[in-house]
Amino acid sequence: GDSVTQMEGPVTLSEEAFLTINCTYTATGYPSLFWYVQYPGEGLQLLLKATKADDKGSNKGFEATYRKETTSFHLEKGSVQVSDSAVYFCALGEPDTDKLIFGTGTRLQVFP
Amino acid sequence: EAGVAQSPRYKIIEKRQSVAFWCNPISGHATLYWYQQILGQGPKLLIQFQNNGVVDDSQLPKDRFSAERLKGVDSTLKIQPAKLEDSAVYLCASSLRRPEAFFGQGTRLTVV
Repeated sequence: GDSVTQMEGPVTLSEEAFLTINCTYTATGYPSLFWYVQYPGEGLQLLLKATKADDKGSNKGFEATYRKETTSFHLEKGSVQVSDSAVYFCALGEPDTDKLIFGTGTRLQVFP
Repeated sequence: EAGVAQSPRYKIIEKRQSVAFWCNPISGHATLYWYQQILGQGPKLLIQFQNNGVVDDSQLPKDRFSAERLKGVDSTLKIQPAKLEDSAVYLCASSLRRPEAFFGQGTRLTVV
């Protein structure tokens, strides 16, 4: 079945460092791809999305590009802030069922 | 625009007791999901409604879990009887354009 694999955390960075969180997927067909963020004690918030190959999703300084050839959707940010500390989930939307399949999440910790 | 509302935020029960969670989706969203998120894992779909009909309940443990969506709006998820392994965060989400989903803050259930 379809699945999402994320790099294990925690990812620990100093403020203003560059962030990459790797995400790869396995899917039949052409899924939509998403990044969700979960702050402590909160639900999941949609961070960005891409619906077809080569699309770039972006929001709040975060970016991710849908790479069909490498089945990847890596999350990047040029300069992280302490307020970015959270758990980040990569997800795919199954084309046939329209349900979201999530990765296990990557915890990001940013220190001043 | 109001988000997805869930209640209660926290619940502690003893094993073999019953519990119910309530969700009010974003107005106009026809699709409603219930997800289970066990600590350290990504959310897993339990059930998906389209209006008041069930689209997918293949991952719902039907011997103890039940869900309904009245008049295609609010939804309740019930567990009876609860087991220790049901301890998790139960997330409700709604969608206008599947599979993009918007999540509530979740209900953290602890079974002791």
